[in-house]
Amino acid sequence: AQSVTQPDIHITVSEGASLELRCNYSYGATPYLFWYVQSPGQGLQLLLKYFSGDTLVQGIKGFEAEFKRSQSSFNLRKPSVHWSDAAEYFCAVGPNAGNMLTFGGGTRLMVKP
Amino acid sequence: DTGVSQNPRHKITKRGQNVTFRCDPISEHNRLYWYRQTLGQGPEFLTYFQNEAQLEKSRLLSDRFSAERPKGSFSTLEIQRTEQGDSAMYLCASSLGAGGPVLPTYNEQFFGPGTRLTVL
Repeated sequence: AQSVTQPDIHITVSEGASLELRCNYSYGATPYLFWYVQSPGQGLQLLLKYFSGDTLVQGIKGFEAEFKRSQSSFNLRKPSVHWSDAAEYFCAVGPNAGNMLTFGGGTRLMVKP
Repeated sequence: DTGVSQNPRHKITKRGQNVTFRCDPISEHNRLYWYRQTLGQGPEFLTYFQNEAQLEKSRLLSDRFSAERPKGSFSTLEIQRTEQGDSAMYLCASSLGAGGPVLPTYNEQFFGPGTRLTVL
């Protein structure tokens, strides 16, 4: 069965600092990998996705992620965090037969001024 | 607003009562998904529809849960005889349909804001 682990439940960074959120997955085939962001009262918004090809993918809001098959990881990065990035971030893997997603437990990002 | 909408946004009910939630997907999307998100956890898949057909149900979807999408547009999720363990955020998402069996493609799921259920 597929699974996603986000080892860091909470992360606090200073505004302007770099960010890396970790994601490890377990999936039998070549995975489709996603990062979503969820702000309070808002739905999940897709930041970026990886299907195949270049293992470094660019997303919205200045985020990028790197797929490393040997480490079963898909870590999210941003070179300079803004206060508006404070939110909860979810890594997900898919699809299986129905294209449903399997999400990790999430990482809550707090940004210090 | 052409995004996914969900109603109500919040529902408080007493244990044992029935509740129904509604999801209106993006109009041209033929796939509709329901997920449940408990506090501090990521969303968990419940069920999905391709048009009006319910194609997959998670083991999380007990007999007290029923979902419908009668005309392939909006969907309802009903929980009968609610229990305190049903308290969660119920998320709906929609997407275009996937590709064929040889080369499945993925179409982005767009999520609604969710319905937060509290069972007292």
